[in-house]
Amino acid sequence: ETGVTQTPRHLVMGMTNKKSLKCEQHLGHNAMYWYKQSAKKPLELMFVYSLEERVENNSVPSRFSPECPNSSHLFLHLHTLQPEDSALYLCASSQDQTGGIYNEQFFGPGTRLTVL
Amino acid sequence: GEDVEQSLFLSVREGDSSVINCTYTDSSSTYLYWYKQEPGAGLQLLTYIFSNMDMKQDQRLTVLLNKKDKHLSLRIADTQTGDSAIYFCAEGPLNYGGSQGNLIFGKGTKLSVKP
Repeated sequence: ETGVTQTPRHLVMGMTNKKSLKCEQHLGHNAMYWYKQSAKKPLELMFVYSLEERVENNSVPSRFSPECPNSSHLFLHLHTLQPEDSALYLCASSQDQTGGIYNEQFFGPGTRLTVL
Repeated sequence: GEDVEQSLFLSVREGDSSVINCTYTDSSSTYLYWYKQEPGAGLQLLTYIFSNMDMKQDQRLTVLLNKKDKHLSLRIADTQTGDSAIYFCAEGPLNYGGSQGNLIFGKGTKLSVKP
């Protein structure tokens, strides 16, 4: 596997379920990101991890809980979600957190989440 | 707050040129980016322009930046059916004090290329 992978690719869950999204990067990067892509809304940054420490949490509800056990893996734990949380959740990684064109973010294919 | 605006849809015929437009609000952005998202895939960086440039050409792609009007455009020459995708405009980094890896994205323009 190369690049950034995400599993599962599709997930349907009820509002009382607990599930987790997984992201893995094979690029040796130190920063990882969770984005939410909803229909008719801009891409929203949810969480940023740098060297396994959370450095940004953009006012995301506590029903979304990230975990970064090492620099290659990032999880998003989901519990008691709402139907409005249905969206495409994208993971990305970059060499580090400094931004700019020398620090391109590489995106995974996303997990399409549907909350019933 | 920061905002990036794009039209949502564009339809062109194969072989024509496509022009996707974007406006942004943060004049301190250092770079402006165009990302492409094909069906079922993540976002891929297509091209970028440094904020002190006004034009950049890369094969079939031409990026124009009007910093005074905060307007960015992406022109795709000789558009092919394989160019059908969603194109996102993004600006960043926004500041050097916080999470510098953040990008602010537009909603994306869906480009449909008809044979």
